[in-house]
Amino acid sequence: GAGVSQTPSNKVTEKGKYVELRCDPISGHTALYWYRQSLGQGPEFLIYFQGTGAADDSGLPNDRFFAVRPEGSVSTLKIQRTERGDSAVYLCASSPATSGVGEQFFGPGTRLTVL
Amino acid sequence: GENVEQHPSTLSVQEGDSAVIKCTYSDSASNYFPWYKQELGKGPQLIIDIRSNVGEKKDQRIAVTLNKTAKHFSLHITETQPEDSAVYFCAASDPQGAQKLVFGQGTRLTINP
Repeated sequence: GAGVSQTPSNKVTEKGKYVELRCDPISGHTALYWYRQSLGQGPEFLIYFQGTGAADDSGLPNDRFFAVRPEGSVSTLKIQRTERGDSAVYLCASSPATSGVGEQFFGPGTRLTVL
Repeated sequence: GENVEQHPSTLSVQEGDSAVIKCTYSDSASNYFPWYKQELGKGPQLIIDIRSNVGEKKDQRIAVTLNKTAKHFSLHITETQPEDSAVYFCAASDPQGAQKLVFGQGTRLTINP
């Protein structure tokens, strides 16, 4: 079946601009995660949704970052006033787990470059 | 919060030999430990996982062992093949964060033909 998809695959923007990154989870998966991966590092947690609600947003670095999942499926990560330090690969993962920690399946990521 | 350390950062083995990657974690309440394989330009792919009520799990050429007392877990790949070349990440569930995973720094595995 279809895996997690993310669009765009690459995004180049200028410092100060606003960007939106989209994630389509595996059908039926209620849990959705956003992680950020810098070059040569492991993924770092940003935010976790269970259904439509953000159950844990403790990883968002500051208030320029925001994510939504209005219908409990597709999610959008929004970054305002982008900075060069925001450049990274943004990964989305989904899981069928409704409670406790379960298997997380990752998408291919969106590579964000802030010039 | 949870902290995961992974070693080595790079590993080179001859085709057919075994490879072992080790991770330690800090929070004894962690209960889920997945391993991911990441190829260039792709997202991490779940290859095997283990929960804290099990000491070892095997899937064909891949096995994971968990020592809860020492708070470390290892990935073992036997009969390595060139297609095993990739970056491998260990992770541990964060008891303070309900569902999130904390990842190690990664191991770049190279299989020499």
